[in-house]
Amino acid sequence: EVQLVQSGGGLVQPGGSLRLSCAASGFTFSTYSLNWVRQAPGKGLEWLSYISSSGVIYYADSLKGRFTISRDNAKNSLYLQMDSLTADDTALYYCARGSYGDYYFDNWGQGTLVTVSS
Amino acid sequence: EIVMTQSPATLSVSPGERATLSCRASQSVGSNLAWYQQKPGQPPRLLIYGASTRATGIPARFSGSGSGTEFTLIISSLQSEDVAVYYCQQYNDWSGTFGQGTKLEIK
Repeated sequence: EVQLVQSGGGLVQPGGSLRLSCAASGFTFSTYSLNWVRQAPGKGLEWLSYISSSGVIYYADSLKGRFTISRDNAKNSLYLQMDSLTADDTALYYCARGSYGDYYFDNWGQGTLVTVSS
Repeated sequence: EIVMTQSPATLSVSPGERATLSCRASQSVGSNLAWYQQKPGQPPRLLIYGASTRATGIPARFSGSGSGTEFTLIISSLQSEDVAVYYCQQYNDWSGTFGQGTKLEIK
């Protein structure tokens, strides 16, 4: 069974940093692309970042270079380093696996809440 | 950036009736269109990919159609468990932009 277990969310002050993790199991992690998606309270889904199996990376323009996606295939883990956080970054953050050979998301983590507030 | 627009924002349908949800892309995405269902307190779940292929375990009452810029998700006979927000997503490139969602309610 494919599982994506997220951790690392919490309360952070404006201007602060946070690192989210997504631990994968039940599939050959190194052969799949992965993504981060967020959902602000009461709002829709916003794609944030993509990392391919070979390490090609893309970001949404809205992030303005503040977030960094990475993966550790030895640890079957995906990460999102978030810096210079603002209140607008308050959201539920999901990791999502890209379908093999395609770009839609076939499995999602449970989500982790990030709250940016003083 | 490809913009995805869903309509209506909210849809109320009686149990057993048909629900029709629409999604429009600002430019052609071919058949690279997915639908997701999100119930309260849960992550999204993949329903449809390739515009019309049901994901594993998705009931046959869910069907998708369309190509290019116009897409439709149909629930042929609405069940109470289908109450959710439905999102379309284009994946013509790596920036998988989502529509704003359609909230499906029971009338």
